[in-house]
Amino acid sequence: AQSVTQLDSHVSVSEGTPVLLRCNYSSSYSPSLFWYVQHPNKGLQLLLKYTSAATLVKGINGFEAEFKKSETSFHLTKPSAHMSDAAEYFCVVSDSLQGAQKLVFGQGTRLTINP
Amino acid sequence: DAGVTQSPTHLIKTRGQQVTLRCSPISGHKSVSWYQQVLGQGPQFIFQYYEKEERGRGNFPDRFSARQFPNYSSELNVNALLLGDSALYLCASSYRRVEATEAFFGQGTRLTVV
Repeated sequence: AQSVTQLDSHVSVSEGTPVLLRCNYSSSYSPSLFWYVQHPNKGLQLLLKYTSAATLVKGINGFEAEFKKSETSFHLTKPSAHMSDAAEYFCVVSDSLQGAQKLVFGQGTRLTINP
Repeated sequence: DAGVTQSPTHLIKTRGQQVTLRCSPISGHKSVSWYQQVLGQGPQFIFQYYEKEERGRGNFPDRFSARQFPNYSSELNVNALLLGDSALYLCASSYRRVEATEAFFGQGTRLTVV
């Protein structure tokens, strides 16, 4: 079974500084990986996805993630944090269950932006 | 284009009651999946419906059931509610049911069991 581990439950940065949210994955084959964001009392929004094409994936709102097979990592970065980036971020791996697509979520990282 | 819509947005039920949650997928999407998100945790897969059939089920009891209609909308039913069923229930739609397919989520239904 596929799994992901988000290494930080909470990250706090100042506005205008870089953001790094860390994620490691476990997979027996080339995985499909996603990052989703959840703002308070909202649903989940897809930030970006990796599906074995380019290892550096660009997403919405200036976010990007790099797939590193040797490190089994898929960290999310942004050069300059904005107040509106404050939210919960989930690293997700797609797994197959009985022929269905099952998304397996990490525990989440809460990102706080300090003014 | 409308995104994934869920109703109701909030619901309060008593232990032992039954509840029905509704989801309309993005137009053209044939797959609907349901997830449960308990406070402070990531969402957990309940099941996926594709072309009106259940295609996979997560580790949830038989009290949880669903169906998908010809227009690909879906209903999630939970019987004999327990306090532990209190959670945000999320519906996700996708064009296909295979891996690597992007899933788009609705705003969720917040269920509180008292």
